[in-house]
Amino acid sequence: ELKVEQNPLFLSMQEGKNYTIYCNYSTTSDRLYWYRQDPGKSLESLFVLLSNGAVKQEGRLMASLDTKARLSTLHITAAVHDLSATYFCAVDGVGTYKYIFGTGTRLKVLA
Amino acid sequence: DSGVTQTPKHLITATGQRVTLRCSPRSGDLSVYWYQQSLDQGLQFLIQYYNGEERAKGNILERFSAQQFPDLHSELNLSSLELGDSALYFCASSVLAAGGETQYFGPGTRLLVL
Repeated sequence: ELKVEQNPLFLSMQEGKNYTIYCNYSTTSDRLYWYRQDPGKSLESLFVLLSNGAVKQEGRLMASLDTKARLSTLHITAAVHDLSATYFCAVDGVGTYKYIFGTGTRLKVLA
Repeated sequence: DSGVTQTPKHLITATGQRVTLRCSPRSGDLSVYWYQQSLDQGLQFLIQYYNGEERAKGNILERFSAQQFPDLHSELNLSSLELGDSALYFCASSVLAAGGETQYFGPGTRLLVL
């Protein structure tokens, strides 16, 4: 059974600091998704990572994928308050197209 | 605005009842996905349709069913509702169904079962 674990679950950080959110998954997959959800809002797709070693960057966020380690990271550089949200990773099992989400990381950036 | 629309935005109903949630995908998108988000279960994938055909099934209860119509809009039917079905239901759409695509999410329908 495919399982996806995120850590930390909660993250409170100062503006200007760097931090990393980790997403581990349990079985083979080469497709990893990152989403952002603001309180009371829907999900917004951030990144789709499709191969081992894939790295994507958008503004202060950078995501990477290591399929051998079954690990993806979402790195936040010089955090700003606007990045406060809950971040989810998700994986779809190879050949199944069934999406499994992590528990989410609730990020709060303090001014 | 993602271009995906969902109706209604809020729904309050009683246990044992049946409701229908509606989703219109972005123009040109052939795939529709349904998700459930609750405090207990987190985010769960329910089902995916591609161009009218069921593509993948996730943790969808037998009391729930969905379909995608020729105009590509989709409906999620929830029957014999229980308190635990109270949740936020999202649909999303993408162009194809091969996986590895960006999905665009609708604003969600908040269902409260009393």
